[in-house]
Amino acid sequence: KAGVTQTPRYLIKTRGQQVTLSCSPISGHRSVSWYQQTPGQGLQFLFEYFSETQRNKGNFPGRFSGRQFSNSRSEMNVSTLELGDSALYLCASSLPGLAGGPVGYTGELFFGEGSRLTVL
Amino acid sequence: AQSVSQHNHHVILSEAASLELGCNYSYGGTVNLFWYVQYPGQHLQLLLKYFSGDPLVKGIKGFEAEFIKSKFSFNLRKPSVQWSDTAEYFCASRGLEGTALIFGKGTTLSVSS
Repeated sequence: KAGVTQTPRYLIKTRGQQVTLSCSPISGHRSVSWYQQTPGQGLQFLFEYFSETQRNKGNFPGRFSGRQFSNSRSEMNVSTLELGDSALYLCASSLPGLAGGPVGYTGELFFGEGSRLTVL
Repeated sequence: AQSVSQHNHHVILSEAASLELGCNYSYGGTVNLFWYVQYPGQHLQLLLKYFSGDPLVKGIKGFEAEFIKSKFSFNLRKPSVQWSDTAEYFCASRGLEGTALIFGKGTTLSVSS
C-alpha cells in the first residue's frame, strides 16, 4: 500500500512569509505526527493529531500550527517565517492507541520523505 | 518531561567492527522504545522496538538492542558492521499513557570498507 505522502517536497520562502505543508497518511492510519529535523538537533516533535484533535504538542512557538481533516490528511502551517525555520519537516502516520491496544497496533510511526523548507 | 539522550554524535568504524550506540531515556512511567535508521537520501525506517517481555530485542539487518530498566537504557548493537550500515540512527521513546514519540538527536555512523 502507498506510504506517507508529503507535499511539496522542496520549497523556498523568504522571512516573514508563511507556508503550509501537507501530509497524506497511509490508508487506515488515523494518527499523524509532525517533526522538524535539523542537523545536530535530530527530530523535534511538533504535534500529533488523532481524529481531527491535537493529542500532543511540542515546545514550538505559536507560529507553528496544524490541523487534521476528517479523511486523516493533515496540514501544518508556519507563519512569519524566520531563518531558523529552515529544516526538513517530517510527517509520520500510525495506528492510534496504546501498547496492548487495537489489533495490529505496533506503536511504529511510518515516515514520509519530508518537505525541505529553506527560508532566505 | 520526557527526553532521550544519545551519547555518541558521530561514530566511525571499519567494516567487521562491532557497534554499540548508547541511548538513555527519561520518563517516570512505562515506555515503549524504538530505534530508527535513516540511510542517506532515504526516509526514516524502524530498526527494532521494545514493548514488553524479553529485554533483548532483535531487529532487521542483524541489529539488536537491550532494554535495561534500572539504567533507563536501550543500547543498540551489531556484532559486525557493513559499509551499507552507514546511516543516521535515532533512539526514541513513547510513554504508555499516550505521550508523543520523542527522539534523541541521532548518531551518525560512518563505516569504511
